[in-house]
Amino acid sequence: NAGVTQTPKFRILKIGQSMTLQCTQDMNHNYMYWYRQDPGMGLKLIYYSVGAGITDKGEVPNGYNVSRSTTEDFPLRLELAAPSQTSVYFCASRLKQGFVYEQYFGPGTRLTVT
Amino acid sequence: QKEVEQDPGPLSVPEGAIVSLNCTYSNSAFQYFMWYRQYSRKGPELLMYTYSSGNKEDGRFTAQVDKSSKYISLFIRDSQPSDSATYLCAMGDNAGGTSYGKLTFGQGTILTVHP
Repeated sequence: NAGVTQTPKFRILKIGQSMTLQCTQDMNHNYMYWYRQDPGMGLKLIYYSVGAGITDKGEVPNGYNVSRSTTEDFPLRLELAAPSQTSVYFCASRLKQGFVYEQYFGPGTRLTVT
Repeated sequence: QKEVEQDPGPLSVPEGAIVSLNCTYSNSAFQYFMWYRQYSRKGPELLMYTYSSGNKEDGRFTAQVDKSSKYISLFIRDSQPSDSATYLCAMGDNAGGTSYGKLTFGQGTILTVHP
């Protein structure tokens, strides 16, 4: 199993541009999460999904959108990039039947908005 | 006031030292306490978790929870250079139901163990 994969690894965006961060997992996990990690700030939850077609907001959803059309994929969309969205973005997943707080993380996408 | 506070360090220790990493929290609803380890340029991975107050040991690692003081610790004995990483405490308020496994993370402590 590849686990949780994220693309791209790095990206530089100009202010106002849009992009989609891709996340795919091959573990048949029901739950998926998007976090952002800023220096010295820990991880903040952006959006999460409990299954295909079901998504909900986390702690910091403004400026982002998500969709979950399949079990495997959970893309994160940035519509009008702002410098405040410069961060490292992590996607995570977990099995519904597993320990509820054991999340499996991808390697991250480093995004810079200038 | 942040729900979870963690000293960001950085912490630098010699190989073989005992390391103590700590977090405090303010939300009494937290019932599960996790430690995630994050190597440089990687995603976090679950290291240990505890549910109740007291100690839980796993090899060189001991997780300690004091719910009365709202204080948790991770101790690393005989620290190794391979332990160099960022350690994140994380907390959850419900094992199921409507929490959906949502975690509240501390800021993370950067640890370097030098030979």
